[in-house]
Amino acid sequence: DAGVIQSPRHEVTEMGQEVTLRCKPISGHDYLFWYRQTMMRGLELLIYFNNNVPIDDSGMPEDRFSAKMPNASFSTLKIQPSEPRDSAVYFCASSLNRFGYTFGSGTRLTVV
Amino acid sequence: AQTVTQSQPEMSVQEAETVTLSCTYDTSESDYYLFWYKQPPSRQMILVIRQEAYKQQNATENRFSVNFQKAAKSFSLKISDSQLGDAAMYFCACLTGANSKLTFGKGITLSVRP
Repeated sequence: DAGVIQSPRHEVTEMGQEVTLRCKPISGHDYLFWYRQTMMRGLELLIYFNNNVPIDDSGMPEDRFSAKMPNASFSTLKIQPSEPRDSAVYFCASSLNRFGYTFGSGTRLTVV
Repeated sequence: AQTVTQSQPEMSVQEAETVTLSCTYDTSESDYYLFWYKQPPSRQMILVIRQEAYKQQNATENRFSVNFQKAAKSFSLKISDSQLGDAAMYFCACLTGANSKLTFGKGITLSVRP
């Protein structure tokens, strides 16, 4: 089992550009979560899916952020247009049950 | 909604000594679960220990144990025989039965002195 796989590991982009973060959950897990980590706000849940369906997106900061899960093995988090305040580490996690939360290694996004 | 509070931003411990990291939480749910996660400089989130609220017995995993005080809504982590590899950021987290969302505290940075 390769765990939750996120790509890219690091992303540097210019303000105004579109950014797409990718996540491959653990096979068989039915929940997928996107978290954002910053020094000021800590770890925040952005959105989560159950069986590929978005359940709660109340944490998505604004319309510039969107997330999709077209199938059970892939999800994307897109920011368009990106802003410097979006700079953070973005984590994807998947879960089969309440004890099975497994995190990816995160994507460090820097918007300049 | 649940909240998790870690009031100490930093702690330091001498190698081989014992340290306790504090955490309080608040939830209106009766069915919930508590966790401690470790985040080393590699930034990987690693599950250290978990506690089911309905269990009175405190969870233990090798050198890691918790002191779960349900009435006080307190969930502290004790690390015994501290090792240099224990240096990391530690997050307390809560998950309720009503949903599957983990809510995290702000974290505490633990340093281990050789």
